[in-house]
Amino acid sequence: DAGVTQSPTHLIKTRGQQVTLRCSPKSGHDTVSWYQQALGQGPQFIFQYYEEEERQRGNFPDRFSGHQFPNYSSELNVNALLLGDSALYLCASSPSLVRGDTQYFGPGTRLTVL
Amino acid sequence: DQQVKQNSPSLSVQEGRISILNCDYTNSMFDYFLWYKKYPAEGPTFLISISSIKDKNEDGRFTVFLNKSAKHLSLHIVPSQPGDSAVYFCAASEDSGNQFYFGTGTSLTVIP
Repeated sequence: DAGVTQSPTHLIKTRGQQVTLRCSPKSGHDTVSWYQQALGQGPQFIFQYYEEEERQRGNFPDRFSGHQFPNYSSELNVNALLLGDSALYLCASSPSLVRGDTQYFGPGTRLTVL
Repeated sequence: DQQVKQNSPSLSVQEGRISILNCDYTNSMFDYFLWYKKYPAEGPTFLISISSIKDKNEDGRFTVFLNKSAKHLSLHIVPSQPGDSAVYFCAASEDSGNQFYFGTGTSLTVIP
């Protein structure tokens, strides 16, 4: 079992560009959550997808959007990138509508905005 | 506004001794708490959890204590081992939602 995988590992973009990050959940998991972890901070909840719908959202602007596919994989899209969007983006999957002890995290995508 | 706080960015402990990591929260609606452990270049991994109906939960060398009146929880690791060296995050949620609020983390170093 490959666990939660994320791609790409690292990404460099410039201000104003758009970016798409990808996540494949652990086998048997149908719920995907996305987190942003800025340097020196803890992960911040962006949103959660279940049954291809956004079920819950944190305090992030509409520039952050997502999608879940029928195979439960997910994408995180960020438009009009700002310098402050530079962070580690973590994807977590779980087999149901999340209890923390069943949530598995991927290694993250490191996004740098110049 | 940081609803979950870990005021100690780092902690060093000798191997075999007790490690105590602390976490404070401000939202009285939080009723489920977790600790995650994170190694470099890896995602956080679940360590231990506690519901607000309990004040203690043990799992091997790891024990979490919850003091609801003080809005404080702590993680005790006994005995500490060099492999425990990692960043530890506490997180909290309200029962009605699936959104977890994380602290800023404490970097634990266990010295052999």
